[in-house]
Amino acid sequence: EAGVVQSPRYKIIEKKQPVAFWCNPISGHNTLYWYRQNLGQGPELLIRYENEEAVDDSQLPKDRFSAERLKGVDSTLKIQPAELGDSAVYLCASSSGLAGLYNEQFFGPGTRLTVL
Amino acid sequence: TQLLEQSPQFLSIQEGENLTVYCNSSSVFSSLQWYRQEPGEGPVLLVTVVTGGEVKKLKRLTFQFGDARKDSSLHITAAQPGDTGLYLCAGARRNTGKLIFGQGTTLQVKP
Repeated sequence: EAGVVQSPRYKIIEKKQPVAFWCNPISGHNTLYWYRQNLGQGPELLIRYENEEAVDDSQLPKDRFSAERLKGVDSTLKIQPAELGDSAVYLCASSSGLAGLYNEQFFGPGTRLTVL
Repeated sequence: TQLLEQSPQFLSIQEGENLTVYCNSSSVFSSLQWYRQEPGEGPVLLVTVVTGGEVKKLKRLTFQFGDARKDSSLHITAAQPGDTGLYLCAGARRNTGKLIFGQGTTLQVKP
């Protein structure tokens, strides 16, 4: 079974430019998460989807960040315009249950974003 | 506010030594998970502990969930260079769909 797929793996852009990240979750997983992780730190949730509905986007900086999961499968996270402080690894994760007891999540390899 | 505090944040040891990583909170969790993350990769789930006082072993790794389900520890016996990585604890609350991550412990095991 394929794991969570993310692309691109690396992205270098200049500040004020737009950037987009793509995620394909594990087949059958209806919950999808986007996290941001700074070097040597734990992941911080940006947004959580249950199927195509964003059920928790309280930590998403909505002035420049947007996300979509139109058909409840793949998802795209966009930043426009990017700022220097957005440099981080953006992780996508998926899980099978709807807010189940264990909430075990499976992570993709991440996209490392560098904003110059 | 950091709901899950991990300690130590950094640990550099020689191959063969033992170590313990702690994950503490003032909040109760329905379950707690430990992940390991290697450079350039996403976190990989190692174990989930659910019951207060539960102990789980995974080869040389021993995980314990506190009796009150507020804290956890990870003990590694005879560490090897392959154990090097970022260790993350994450707490889940029933029916919230959220994981609260600690800030991680970076472990370096020197040959």
